[in-house]
Formats: sequence, C-alpha cells, structure tokens
Amino acid sequence: EPEVTQTPSHQVTQMGQEVILRCVPISNHLYFYWYRQILGQKVEFLVSFYNNEISEKSEIFDDQFSVERPDGSNFTLKIRSTKLEDSAMYFCAGTAQGNTEAFFGQGTRLTVV
Amino acid sequence: KNEVEQSPQNLTAQEGEFITINCSYSVGISALHWLQQHPGGGIVSLFMLSSGKKKHGRLIATINIQEKHSSLHITASHPRDSAVYICAARPYNNNDMRFGAGTRLTVKP
Repeated sequence: EPEVTQTPSHQVTQMGQEVILRCVPISNHLYFYWYRQILGQKVEFLVSFYNNEISEKSEIFDDQFSVERPDGSNFTLKIRSTKLEDSAMYFCAGTAQGNTEAFFGQGTRLTVV
Repeated sequence: KNEVEQSPQNLTAQEGEFITINCSYSVGISALHWLQQHPGGGIVSLFMLSSGKKKHGRLIATINIQEKHSSLHITASHPRDSAVYICAARPYNNNDMRFGAGTRLTVKP
C-alpha cells in the first residue's frame, strides 16, 4: 500500500536554529498538509498546499514557517528560527483531491532545547 | 468553545466489549474523518464520512449531518484496538481540518 514518508523521525535542535522537516507524499496526491501535535494536546492544522502554493494556513503558521515542494516529490516544512514552543510532533498528510481520504506520515518528533 | 468535541476522553474496556466513541461538531462540514493514533504517534485514517454509515471489519462509523454528530463503534474489542481515536471535521470550502482532542481507548485482556 502506498505511504507517506517523513524524515527524520526525530530531530533535536538548539533554540534559534533552522530546521527542515521532509515529507515524501504519495505520488498521485495533489493536496498536501502539515499538522503539529504538542505533547498531550490535540492535533492542529498548520498549512495546506496545492498547485505549488499555500491554499490555507492557520494562525500558528507565522513568518517563521515556510513550505515548499522544490522537486515535485519532497514536501518540506522549514522553521527559520526555532523556539522552545515549537517542540512537537509534526505530521505531513496528503489527499488525492481536496476532499478525499487523508494519508498521514508517521510524524517527525521535533525537540527544541 | 471547541469546534469538535469528543466523548469520552478516556475509555477502558474488557476484551470483547462493544465500544462507542462520540463526536459532535459545530461547523458545517464537507466530511468527517475518524483517525487512529498509536502510542508511537503515527496517525492512520480509519474512515471518511459525509453521510450515513461505513463499515470496515469490526469498525463502524456513522454520521448524522442534521444533528452534527458522528459515532465510531468497535465490535468485539481486542487489546490491539488500544489507541487514541481522533475525530476531525473538514469545514465547507476549507482545506484544513479541525481536530477533536481524542479518546484514549484501553482494551484489557
């Protein structure tokens, strides 16, 4: 069965450093998403991406965050200058159409120290 | 107020019991998703519903659009069903999803 792959599975970074979280979506998917889940809290939407541009973003997704799909396969989330409160599990997801079943990656656990 | 409310927050059952997890939402939706999150953190999509009922193995999901309510049922529960079950609503004309806080299910042998 096709799957969404996220790397790394766990990243530890120092406060103020830039991090890039990577995702390889399922090949025929057109819509891509990033979500985060702070430990013990619910999953929160960050951003959706379609046709090489952001289609929706939440209040969490401020200027420190950016997404891109540079080579038509990888879908990346960059945090420019990490803060302690960015520590969370980050999930990538994709859908074939805007309103079809979502397939999630296994997540990247980001720890900012 | 949360747009998606789940109940109960925690549920402990004996193996073989019938399980029901409830989800209420306040936004107009185009679809309602039920997700399963295992202790390692990974999320798996179980169902996507816009009306009626769906069944997959021992899992059944129902939705009542008028009442803005959905339920996830597990028949003949098993310890491997132990996980967090999350309800997520996709609003009309939006590409985001609004997540419930999850229901932590523990099935004891």
